Amino acid sequence: QLQLQESGPGLVKPSETLSLTCTVSGGSISSSSYYWGWIRQPPGKGLEWIGSIYYSGSTYYNPSLKSRVTISLDTSKNQFSLKLSSVTAADTAVYYCARDSSGYNLLDYWGQGTLVTVSS
Amino acid sequence: DIQMTQSPSSLSASVGDRVTITCRASQSISSYLNWYQQKPGKAPKLLIYAASSLQSGVPSRFSGSGSGTDFTLTISSLQPEDFATYCCQQSYSSPWTFGQGTKVEIK
Repeated sequence: QLQLQESGPGLVKPSETLSLTCTVSGGSISSSSYYWGWIRQPPGKGLEWIGSIYYSGSTYYNPSLKSRVTISLDTSKNQFSLKLSSVTAADTAVYYCARDSSGYNLLDYWGQGTLVTVSS
Repeated sequence: DIQMTQSPSSLSASVGDRVTITCRASQSISSYLNWYQQKPGKAPKLLIYAASSLQSGVPSRFSGSGSGTDFTLTISSLQPEDFATYCCQQSYSSPWTFGQGTKVEIK
């Protein structure tokens, strides 16, 4: 059974860089059938797709965040990571990693989510 | 970006009721529409993909329909475990976008 688990600091200061890692178990992130994505949800609000990465390393990002986002892969550790720079309080959210099935781009496996608060 | 609008934003229903939730896209998205269920403090769970295909393991009381701009999620007989928030997602054009969610509450 595929499992995803987010990890990283729960508190980030304004203007700094948010860094999260998603560790995948029960399957390989090197599969050509899938992308691996990040989605966030501010408290009490809806879901926002941040971006996704393919096993080859190609990425696509939400234009609203593109200037601040980097998603990368570490196939040796079966992990992918998110970096979001110059954070503000508006970036406070639960951050989820998920498998993004190429073709229909459905998000069929999700991590449990991790709350990241931006505050000094 | 394609805007996804759900209605209603919330509803109250009883166990055994038939429930219908609507999702409308700001432009045609063919059948590139997915539905998720989210319970408090939990990650979303995929229910329906490609507008009408039931994800493996999801009970058959859930069904989806529609194409183009108008879509519906139907729960044929609401069960206690179905009280949750439901949201739609378009996967026709990047950036993928979600509806604001419909909260299904106990009457």
